[in-house]
Amino acid sequence: EDQVTQSPEALRLQEGESSSLNCSYTVSGLRGLFWYRQDPGKGPEFLFTLYSAGEEKEKERLKATLTKKESFLHITAPKPEDSATYLCAVQAKDNYGQNFVFGPGTRLSVLP
Amino acid sequence: SQTIHQWPATLVQPVGSPLSLECTVEGTSNPNLYWYRQAAGRGLQLLFYSVGIGQISSEVPQNLSASRPQDRQFILSSKKLLLSDSGFYLCAWRRDRWTEAFFGQGTRLTVV
Repeated sequence: EDQVTQSPEALRLQEGESSSLNCSYTVSGLRGLFWYRQDPGKGPEFLFTLYSAGEEKEKERLKATLTKKESFLHITAPKPEDSATYLCAVQAKDNYGQNFVFGPGTRLSVLP
Repeated sequence: SQTIHQWPATLVQPVGSPLSLECTVEGTSNPNLYWYRQAAGRGLQLLFYSVGIGQISSEVPQNLSASRPQDRQFILSSKKLLLSDSGFYLCAWRRDRWTEAFFGQGTRLTVV
């Protein structure tokens, strides 16, 4: 069964304090890994798609990386507006591509 | 550009009442459409998906149903709500089954 876990469950950072969020996955064959940001009471906002080990994507203070077992979302010099829940999801190659398996998320708080 | 609209944002309904949540997508044609439910502290759960008008697939047995009467319209319904139907419902669309999903702003449903 495809599974996704995320750690830590919650993370509090001071403004400017860089850190990383982890997404570990188990799938029969990875077609894609997706990162989303979700603000309270809102729908997830798409950030990145990663398709193969070694791939990296960057957007402002965020950088996502992918290995064969996990993905990291690196946050450099975060600001309070980066506070949100970050979700990762995987899509396996053999499920006809219709279902993402989502992790439970990491709740990030950046304090000024 | 593509946009997705989902309404209402919040809804309080008595047990046994009917439900209709609507989702529309603009700026694209023949999208894959999805209904998810998000429980607190848990990952998003896929409820239904549709690859075309009138084509509905259900991922989990439940008290809900879905319909796609038009290419860019997706409706989530129930004839009689249960307390366990309370949750945060999200509509999403994808260009095809291999790409990232884009989510609406969600509907917070409370069944009382």
